[in-house]
Amino acid sequence: SQKIEQNSEALNIQEGKTATLTCNYTNYSPAYLQWYRQDPGRGPVFLLLIRENEKEKRKERLKVTFDTTLKQSLFHITASQPADSATYLCALVRDSNYQLIWGAGTKLIIKP
Amino acid sequence: DAGITQSPRHKVTETGTPVTLRCHQTENHRYMYWYRQDPGHGLRLIHYSYGVKDTDKGEVSDGYSVSRSKTEDFLLTLESATSSQTSVYFCAIRDRGDGGYNEQFFGPGTRLTVL
Repeated sequence: SQKIEQNSEALNIQEGKTATLTCNYTNYSPAYLQWYRQDPGRGPVFLLLIRENEKEKRKERLKVTFDTTLKQSLFHITASQPADSATYLCALVRDSNYQLIWGAGTKLIIKP
Repeated sequence: DAGITQSPRHKVTETGTPVTLRCHQTENHRYMYWYRQDPGHGLRLIHYSYGVKDTDKGEVSDGYSVSRSKTEDFLLTLESATSSQTSVYFCAIRDRGDGGYNEQFFGPGTRLTVL
């Protein structure tokens, strides 16, 4: 079955450093992959989308890479700030109805 | 929350009782989704709708039913609530973002506790 794995352990990063989160998937070849941010008690919020033919996508301090050979996406936050602390979810597009398959998320903690 | 509201926001109920959660959107979106979110699991799709009276099952649909009699409302019903249905339920809509690709926009969630 299709499976998405994100590091279940919280990631602690010092303010100003680059945070890197990993999303691995198996048994699937998605057309594109999305990253979302979720704050406690709130629904996920879309951040970035990367297509299978794109190696890298940037938006301000965010960067996403997509390696279809390794079946992996990396999500980077540069010059991290305490306000970046949240849980980050990756999701793959499943089919033509654009159903998403979700990872469980990685909690990121940026320490001042 | 992209014009999406959910009600109630919190509910405590007893095993065996029926429960209905409501998702309301104001922007005429065609696709709507119900997810549940539990610790250690990703969001799991319960049911989705692609139009009025058009619905389909997701990966965890057992024990749940849905209805969509008008575009703006998507109802999720737990026919006979069980403790395993204690969860946070999110409604989402699908819309094209700035890049032209489909993104999902989520409501604030409903925290349901089944005793």
